[in-house]
Amino acid sequence: QSVLTQPPSVSAAPGQKVTISCSGSSSNIGNNYVSWYQQLPGTAPKLLIYDNNKRPSGIPDRFSGSKSGTSATLGITGLQTGDEADYYCGTWDSSLSADLFGGGTKLTVL
Amino acid sequence: QVTLKESGPVLVKPTETLTLTCTVSGFSLSNARMGVSWIRQPPGKALEWLAHIFSNDEKSYSTSLKSRLTISKDTSKSQVVLTMTNMDPVDTATYYCARTYYDFSLDPWGQGTLVTVSS
Repeated sequence: QSVLTQPPSVSAAPGQKVTISCSGSSSNIGNNYVSWYQQLPGTAPKLLIYDNNKRPSGIPDRFSGSKSGTSATLGITGLQTGDEADYYCGTWDSSLSADLFGGGTKLTVL
Repeated sequence: QVTLKESGPVLVKPTETLTLTCTVSGFSLSNARMGVSWIRQPPGKALEWLAHIFSNDEKSYSTSLKSRLTISKDTSKSQVVLTMTNMDPVDTATYYCARTYYDFSLDPWGQGTLVTVSS
């Protein structure tokens, strides 16, 4: 079981919006930056969001991130079939002195 | 263009030691506030962070695997090496390396290398 908790799966129709949550504690999300990664089938993960809500160059503004307390959320608007992937949150845990990933969320675009 | 590439054996036997090399290009391992992390992913399962090393040689390890892992770097060769002792079939996974920043974001990632542990 991951220290960071994500829903195993979410789904929505093309064009709709979806949110993916990541729940942690004060030793990780509560006091450290959160990143989000997209892993398309058969490929390496790619950074989508860093520092809670910043997008790297080339990531469309359909992807957004937010953090409140010990939880973080990834939002995706205007869903496309190409967004079907596994999404992971990640952050540092100051108590464990280790980086952590959530258990991953599989997004299905119906 | 920043790239990272993992290399190492595709098959190791139980109890053997795994040595993986991450060769980076497009940035230097001496760049301040940057480093390299190793992450693995068993088939069909989630990502698991293993270790990182920064330019100042600061190192951290997964708490559950700390006793089995060693990370090191050779700045002149642009390589980061991860060793994992006493390999077991449950260690079968795709192993990735990724550039790491001090905010612990990982970008970019290497393509990954699949390591199978079997006798």
